[in-house]
Amino acid sequence: GNSVTQMEGPVTLSEEAFLTINCTYTATGYPSLFWYVQYPGEGLQLLLKATKADDKGSNKGFEATYRKETTSFHLEKGSVQVSDSAVYFCALRGGGADGLTFGKGTHLIIQP
Amino acid sequence: EADIYQTPRYLVIGTGKKITLECSQTMGHDKMYWYQQDPGMELHLIHYSYGVNSTEKGDLSSESTVSRIRTEHFPLTLESARPSHTSQYLCASSGRVNSPLHFGNGTRLTVT
Repeated sequence: GNSVTQMEGPVTLSEEAFLTINCTYTATGYPSLFWYVQYPGEGLQLLLKATKADDKGSNKGFEATYRKETTSFHLEKGSVQVSDSAVYFCALRGGGADGLTFGKGTHLIIQP
Repeated sequence: EADIYQTPRYLVIGTGKKITLECSQTMGHDKMYWYQQDPGMELHLIHYSYGVNSTEKGDLSSESTVSRIRTEHFPLTLESARPSHTSQYLCASSGRVNSPLHFGNGTRLTVT
């Protein structure tokens, strides 16, 4: 079946630091890949997506590239802000199953 | 911006009570989903629907039930709530295959 593995947190960084949150997946076929963000007390918001190999999703300074050869979709941001503090979920859709398969989430804490 | 609404946002009830969590979307999406999010943040699919009169159980066994009488409405019911049902419940909908899921803000349920 499908699975998503992402780095465990919490990840604590200083403001303006470079961010990488690793995500790898297992799926049959060609799934679509997503990063969602969850702020305290809220639901999940789509941050970015990529639907095929070598696609780069980007939004709000965050980027992730769909790497089929390494089955990865790592999230990066060049300079994080305190407002980026949240929980980030890597997810895939497809590969023979419906709905989203999520990683366990990474809690990101940005200190001023 | 996705239009999917969940009510109530917060609910505290006693053991043995029957409850219904409401979820409505105005996007005309055929597919709808319920996820349970545990305190450790992990998300588990508990129910989904492909359209009116379609309901399926998800990956995580749940004592809750769902119905889909109208396209826009996908309520979740617990006939007799227990403390083990304390969790956050997230509703989502989607359009095309492999497209993102759009999430509501969730219902945080506490059973005492």
